[in-house]
Amino acid sequence: EVQLQESGPGLVKPSQSLSLTCSVTGYSITSNYWGWIRKFPGNKMEWMGYISYSGSTSYNPSLKSRISITRDTSKNQFFLQLNSVTTEDTATYYCARSRGRIRDYFDYWGQGVMVTVSS
Amino acid sequence: DVQMTQSLSYLAASPGESVSISCKASKSISNYLAWYQQKPGEAYKLLIYSGSTLQSGTPSRFSGSGSGTDFTLTIRSLEPEDFGLYYCQQYYEKPLTFGSGTKLEIK
Repeated sequence: EVQLQESGPGLVKPSQSLSLTCSVTGYSITSNYWGWIRKFPGNKMEWMGYISYSGSTSYNPSLKSRISITRDTSKNQFFLQLNSVTTEDTATYYCARSRGRIRDYFDYWGQGVMVTVSS
Repeated sequence: DVQMTQSLSYLAASPGESVSISCKASKSISNYLAWYQQKPGEAYKLLIYSGSTLQSGTPSRFSGSGSGTDFTLTIRSLEPEDFGLYYCQQYYEKPLTFGSGTKLEIK
């Protein structure tokens, strides 16, 4: 069974970088697409971006140059880095698998990790 | 960006009843629409994709309809375990966007 698990610090200071790890078991990240989605307080959801089976990336333009998604195929993990965070980045962050291309919906999700940006 | 609107933020219904949750896109997205359920402490569950195709494991009491800009998720004969948050998501174009969510409470 495909399982995803997010990990990372729950508290980040403003202007610093947020770094999260998604560990995948039961499926290789060298297939399909692997994304990050966040849910803000109040339930608004935002797709942040994903990394493909080949290592190519696609990002939400709203995050401009602040975001980077990378991977370590030897550990079957992929990572989110979000730079220059503000309090508006406070959210629950989810990693998920997408089938990609014309099937850009998410069929497996992690349980999410809550991140608070505060000094 | 394609804006996805779920006009109902909250809905309450009794077991056995049928409910419909609507989702409207700001432009035509053909049938590139998915529905998800989220329950507290649990991972999101993909219920339906391509507007009306049930994901493996989704109970048959769930159904999706619509194309273009207007979509509906219908749950027939509600079960107590159907409470939760329901979201639609378009994947017609990037950035992928989600509706604002509809919270379904079981009376």
